[in-house]
Amino acid sequence: DTAVSQTPKYLVTQMGNDKSIKCEQNLGHDTMYWYKQDSKKFLKIMFSYNNKELIINETVPNRFSPKSPDKAHLNLHINSLELGDSAVYFCASSPWERTGAYGYTFGSGTRLTVV
Amino acid sequence: DAKTTQPPSMDCAEGRAANLPCNHSTISGNEYVYWYRQIHSQGPQYIIHGLKNNETNEMASLIITEDRKSSTLILPHATLRDTAVYYCIVRPPFPDAGNMLTFGGGTRLMVKP
Repeated sequence: DTAVSQTPKYLVTQMGNDKSIKCEQNLGHDTMYWYKQDSKKFLKIMFSYNNKELIINETVPNRFSPKSPDKAHLNLHINSLELGDSAVYFCASSPWERTGAYGYTFGSGTRLTVV
Repeated sequence: DAKTTQPPSMDCAEGRAANLPCNHSTISGNEYVYWYRQIHSQGPQYIIHGLKNNETNEMASLIITEDRKSSTLILPHATLRDTAVYYCIVRPPFPDAGNMLTFGGGTRLMVKP
């Protein structure tokens, strides 16, 4: 009954590999997000999708490609992994509305380590 | 960039109230103030949010000054489990900044026995 679930929780992979992280929410929200938290602990938004459509892309390298098969899922695929991609990736979701009156619900994170 | 300023760290004695300040002097009239916390690299957890009025829920109280240029998050009886990084966020309405939550550095609250 976890509201926003991410898999896998941990991912260790070699440089140059391609990997995917999956996210699912059962809250009925229309909007989903990916955030990256690096070793300095800053949380930065990467992407935002509303009803399967990309609405925010915060200057993320095109090696990162989000895919939303339906509004309950937002997966993150990363090509040609680099050492600097090592971080914790958080998925989040929220209702879609224009006033900013509703908060986000975050998943528990995926710790990606590139060796 | 985050529109808020928070002290980087604070200590609080267990059982006492923890008062976490936040300055947001450039806040616009239609921007909400949100508070989240992150416990040891878990996912950020929503605490409370408000627009103009003070707000209270089962976790905390939010006091917003009349000019809305600052706010205080109050944890009335801090426990060791409240040790976390607390983020104060000013959230613009859509379409400004994509209506998204932008996190700053936060305040690291250490609750001590």
